[in-house]
Amino acid sequence: DQQVKQNSPSLSVQEGRISILNCDYTNSMFDYFLWYKKYPAEGPTFLISISSIKDKNEDGRFTVFLNKSAKHLSLHIVPSQPGDSAVYFCAASGDYFGTGTSLTVIP
Amino acid sequence: DAGVIQSPRHEVTEMGQEVTLRCKPISGHNSLFWYRQTMMRGLELLIYFNNNVPIDDSGMPEDRFSAKMPNASFSTLKIQPSEPRDSAVYFCASSLYGRGERSPLHFGNGTRLTVT
Repeated sequence: DQQVKQNSPSLSVQEGRISILNCDYTNSMFDYFLWYKKYPAEGPTFLISISSIKDKNEDGRFTVFLNKSAKHLSLHIVPSQPGDSAVYFCAASGDYFGTGTSLTVIP
Repeated sequence: DAGVIQSPRHEVTEMGQEVTLRCKPISGHNSLFWYRQTMMRGLELLIYFNNNVPIDDSGMPEDRFSAKMPNASFSTLKIQPSEPRDSAVYFCASSLYGRGERSPLHFGNGTRLTVT
């Protein structure tokens, strides 16, 4: 059964606007979350992470928010750039992955 | 650092044939993972090795699938006999520390398997 869910298979955003990618998880024991970015014909690469003791972590244009009570996290990209177009995977406690969200940033 | 190296990049085979996928993890990494990517299930963990020992193979779908890690620098995933439903992209990943120890996974570029 899928313990990490990304319910939006795809998302389109205009360049310069905010992209918000969402992720839900079911296991309250998960204590560390990561986001990976994947370009076509390449493997996923690590983007940003957050520990369950925090509710926000920021790295440049990328911010991850964690709501433990809702078992929900989100990735914000501001401002979005065409080079951000990729598939984004949410992962919990290292190796439980969601199904991915394909982000398209329109120039 | 060459990263995680997988071979072949593409494999096309006929149903019933044996398929072997290969992986060279990053030197010094203690953990190795095999994943399968499908549209329905996303990245699905097949097996996890720590210090060359298989720790969790609960994701291996059937007895047709087997994985080995004879040393710290090499792992194989074998499917025998292969079936059309095995068609997917298979990724190998390694990490510096053990599972759940907060070290990101480093992925290879995957092997796209097509079974006709």
